[in-house]
Amino acid sequence: AQSVTQPDIHITVSEGASLELRCNYSYGATPYLFWYVQSPGQGLQLLLKYFSGDTLVQGIKGFEAEFKRSQSSFNLRKPSVHWSDAAEYFCAVALGMDTGRRALTFGSGTRLQVQP
Amino acid sequence: EPEVTQTPSHQVTQMGQEVILRCVPISNHLYFYWYRQILGQKVEFLVSFYNNEISEKSEIFDDQFSVERPDGSNFTLKIRSTKLEDSAMYFCASSELPLNEQFFGPGTRLTVL
Repeated sequence: AQSVTQPDIHITVSEGASLELRCNYSYGATPYLFWYVQSPGQGLQLLLKYFSGDTLVQGIKGFEAEFKRSQSSFNLRKPSVHWSDAAEYFCAVALGMDTGRRALTFGSGTRLQVQP
Repeated sequence: EPEVTQTPSHQVTQMGQEVILRCVPISNHLYFYWYRQILGQKVEFLVSFYNNEISEKSEIFDDQFSVERPDGSNFTLKIRSTKLEDSAMYFCASSELPLNEQFFGPGTRLTVL
């Protein structure tokens, strides 16, 4: 079965600093990859997704992620963090159309705190 | 901007009682999903629904759970006899096409006493 690992449970960065959140997946083929953000009391909002093509994808709110097949990774980055970025971030995978499966498998999340 | 809505935002129930969680997906979406998140744990897939039938379900989605699209707008999750371990945040999601972005609702927090 596929799995998603987010090794960092909690990260604290200073406002204006750069950010990288790690995500690794375990699956034989290239899955569809997503990053979602969850603010307190809110639902999950999609930041970006990777299906195929250019391995560096741009998302909303200034986020980007890079797919590295050799490392089975899909790390999320932002060059300069804003205080409003404090939230929980989830990496998720879907196996793809050819499997007939549409369910998202989520990582355990990384809670981001931003210091002033 | 269209959004997925869920009601109620918080439901408290006694163990053994039936609960129905309601969702209104985005109007032109065809694929519907339920996920849950037990406090402090991962978001877990429960079930997906398309063309008025379940297209995929997880091991969590046992006989105590059922889903229904009773009319053209609502999508419901019923838990027949709630257990303490059903306490969680339940998220509804919808997508226009399979594997397109799934839009999530704000969730219903279910507390089973």
